[in-house]
Amino acid sequence: KAGVTQTPRYLIKTRGQQVTLSCSPISGHRSVSWYQQTPGQGLQFLFEYFSETQRNKGNFPGRFSGRQFSNSRSEMNVSTLELGDSALYLCASRKTPGQVNTEAFFGQGTRLTVV
Amino acid sequence: GENVEQHPSTLSVQEGDSAVIKCTYSDSASNYFPWYKQELGKGPQLIIDIRSNVGEKKDQRIAVTLNKTAKHFSLHITETQPEDSAVYFCAVNQAGTALIFGKGTTLSVSS
Repeated sequence: KAGVTQTPRYLIKTRGQQVTLSCSPISGHRSVSWYQQTPGQGLQFLFEYFSETQRNKGNFPGRFSGRQFSNSRSEMNVSTLELGDSALYLCASRKTPGQVNTEAFFGQGTRLTVV
Repeated sequence: GENVEQHPSTLSVQEGDSAVIKCTYSDSASNYFPWYKQELGKGPQLIIDIRSNVGEKKDQRIAVTLNKTAKHFSLHITETQPEDSAVYFCAVNQAGTALIFGKGTTLSVSS
């Protein structure tokens, strides 16, 4: 079965612009989480969506937002881009973040470069 | 909130040696502990995980051990091979919350 699909794979944007990234989870998975990965910082949690509702949120400014659609696909948006937003943005898919912890599977990521 | 410390940040071993990476966590309510391997240009790949009701789990050359009392867990790779070279991340989770990751360990296996 298909894995987690993130589009686009690469993006170059200018400071001040906004960007939208997309993530399609594994079929049957209803939870989507987003992470920012930068050198030396590991994976920092942005937010998690389940059944179109944001369940958890990390410590990022309001410029970072997301949403989830009824087919479980998710998008994240970053407005007023800053140079420091340059990073690999990863999406993880889980069946459900419910009582029984389930495995999370990652996509290949979107490499965002802000110039 | 949960805090995860991972050590060492870099690890170099000779092919055939063993490698051990250790993580500590702060929230005793955490009960799920996965390990991920990330190769260059790819997303993290789940390689093994353990739940709090188990002390050890093994899958061929990799194993994970968990000490809930001390709040630490470790990844053990035996008979390392060059293709094991990658960045390894530990993570911690409890029901209904997000996975929280350590900062990663870069493992280099030289032949």
